[in-house]
Amino acid sequence: GAVVSQHPSRVICKSGTSVKIECRSLDFQATTMFWYRQFPKKSLMLMATSNEGSKATYEQGVEKDKFLINHASLTLSTLTVTSAHPEDSSFYICSADPPRAGGTDTQYFGPGTRLTVL
Amino acid sequence: SQQGEEDPQALSIQEGENATMNCSYKTSINNLQWYRQNSGRGLVHLILIRSNEREKHSGRLRVTLDTSKKSSSLLITASRAADTASYFCATDLAGFQKLVFGTGTRLLVSP
Repeated sequence: GAVVSQHPSRVICKSGTSVKIECRSLDFQATTMFWYRQFPKKSLMLMATSNEGSKATYEQGVEKDKFLINHASLTLSTLTVTSAHPEDSSFYICSADPPRAGGTDTQYFGPGTRLTVL
Repeated sequence: SQQGEEDPQALSIQEGENATMNCSYKTSINNLQWYRQNSGRGLVHLILIRSNEREKHSGRLRVTLDTSKKSSSLLITASRAADTASYFCATDLAGFQKLVFGTGTRLLVSP
């Protein structure tokens, strides 16, 4: 099946620093990727939709200047958490949507990145 | 919020028993999907049911969809300890290219 990878799987950083998380589709091209955030024992909350070659679409309440998304190629999207604070600590998961017509259908999820901000 | 609700929030059963999880949603959908997540891991797609379908089977999984009630159920038959995980429904909203996840059910299957 389709594989999506994330790197790093776990990162610990100091307050005020920026952290970049990569999401790659390994065996298919993804015009659209999604970034989710998940707090412990909670559901996934969509942060933004990343479209190759254009600006990301952010969900209501998500600060686009804090969570920078770049989708520079059909196999790579990056999420940069800028000036991270302890409240940004969370599990970040990406997913990739192979190009198809008629709706989202199945998304392929990465294994997630655990961010801890000290 | 468009987020769906799932119940129960947590379910504890013995191996061999069946587990049923329910999902309710709020708006029109193209399809509804069920995912599984082991602790601290990514999501694994289990099954997708389209808005014009009422029931679907995959191995020990049975999914139903009632669009008039905006609800779905996931039944896992003959559960195993390895089924222990969190299960999420996700709706592909009509007119939007994104999934909205439910609140999830934590399933614990004891040997």
